[in-house]
Amino acid sequence: DAKTTQPTSMDCAEGRAANLPCNHSTISGNEYVYWYRQIHSQGPQYIIHGLKNNETNEMASLIITEDRKSSTLILPHATLRDTAVYYCIVGSGTYKYIFGTGTRLKVLA
Amino acid sequence: NAGVTQTPKFRILKIGQSMTLQCTQDMNHNYMYWYRQDPGMGLKLIYYSVGAGITDKGEVPNGYNVSRSTTEDFPLRLELAAPSQTSVYFCASSPRTGNHKEQFFGPGTRLTVL
Repeated sequence: DAKTTQPTSMDCAEGRAANLPCNHSTISGNEYVYWYRQIHSQGPQYIIHGLKNNETNEMASLIITEDRKSSTLILPHATLRDTAVYYCIVGSGTYKYIFGTGTRLKVLA
Repeated sequence: NAGVTQTPKFRILKIGQSMTLQCTQDMNHNYMYWYRQDPGMGLKLIYYSVGAGITDKGEVPNGYNVSRSTTEDFPLRLELAAPSQTSVYFCASSPRTGNHKEQFFGPGTRLTVL
């Protein structure tokens, strides 16, 4: 059973920020939020993770609501190479990730 | 570091044949995983291992077997291939240390069973 809900697809103009939402209303206190992406048919690639604070790295920012029931992945300046399927996953730091169908992001020139 | 490598990249099997999908990682990771991905779907966990000699079932283990005799290798065995096993198979690994488990994925093996 998927523990997260994401929109099926989104478009974003090149150079603009891409904001990808994720609902995880049943998240428990020790579960992290992870984001991965899968470009074309390659293996998924880790982007970022967080517990309750907002996080930023060289790829993206992760905003987690105060009640932790939802989060948003932000790609600040989307490029064509960011076109991919983005997966939001919750997990407790063990290993049994449940991948849903993700959000298919298309960056438009 | 080569990371996670998988062989073969592509394979076509006939129904009832068997094969082994190879997975090797050179990052000294304790955890290793096998996933399958059907067209248009997310990844489903088949088997995982927390270290050499220890394996356990994931969501969809039927029709598969695994072994973990070394830290580096985690082969996936299909004994009697069926059309339902047509899929892309991804191997992944993650370190044991740390509170979170970032997984590093291989490039995948595309398997067709006819």
